[in-house]
Amino acid sequence: QKEVEQDPGPLSVPEGAIVSLNCTYSNSAFQYFMWYRQYSRKGPELLMYTYSSGNKEDGRFTAQVDKSSKYISLFIRDSQPSDSATYLCAMSVGFGNEKLTFGTGTRLTIIP
Amino acid sequence: DAGITQSPRHKVTETGTPVTLRCHQTENHRYMYWYRQDPGHGLRLIHYSYGVKDTDKGEVSDGYSVSRSKTEDFLLTLESATSSQTSVYFCAISDGSKKKTGELFFGEGSRLTVL
Repeated sequence: QKEVEQDPGPLSVPEGAIVSLNCTYSNSAFQYFMWYRQYSRKGPELLMYTYSSGNKEDGRFTAQVDKSSKYISLFIRDSQPSDSATYLCAMSVGFGNEKLTFGTGTRLTIIP
Repeated sequence: DAGITQSPRHKVTETGTPVTLRCHQTENHRYMYWYRQDPGHGLRLIHYSYGVKDTDKGEVSDGYSVSRSKTEDFLLTLESATSSQTSVYFCAISDGSKKKTGELFFGEGSRLTVL
């Protein structure tokens, strides 16, 4: 079993829809949770970062962490065609050591 | 954009030949990483460096070696390439700041095909 599980999709939704992306994990030591976005043939870039449980909002994006369930989510409101990308969750145990464990990524397509 | 340059960007080679991928950064960041990305596996850490001449193994280090003789350069070497090493390789850097743990800056990737 992988430490981090992520549904690979692909996921296609119409423009303007709310998108929900999820990851589960098994290592209870993870404390730092991130979402990276990767456009085709590009390197990933950090989209959202949260520490421990709770919610964090940034514009149309909301990241949720539920450590009791070992479950994290990324919500995208009013989705746009420019949101079409692969989204990777990532986690780490402690700060100062960015040895991240990544999910496999979910490919998302927003249909105009 | 973070100043990270990977070379070569594309390479086709034959089984058994040595291959070296180079990562060059202009950010003076302490940490440098090599990941490989494969369908169904996501990004997996090969090796990382926390300073000049300080390196350590990651999750999938077998068959790979690294060197870092200068802050700005991190080399990944496949001593004898195998078809299982066909992948997209990403270099990443981080300054190790506690302010935003987990922020890696990635290069554009190097696509390696081993025939």
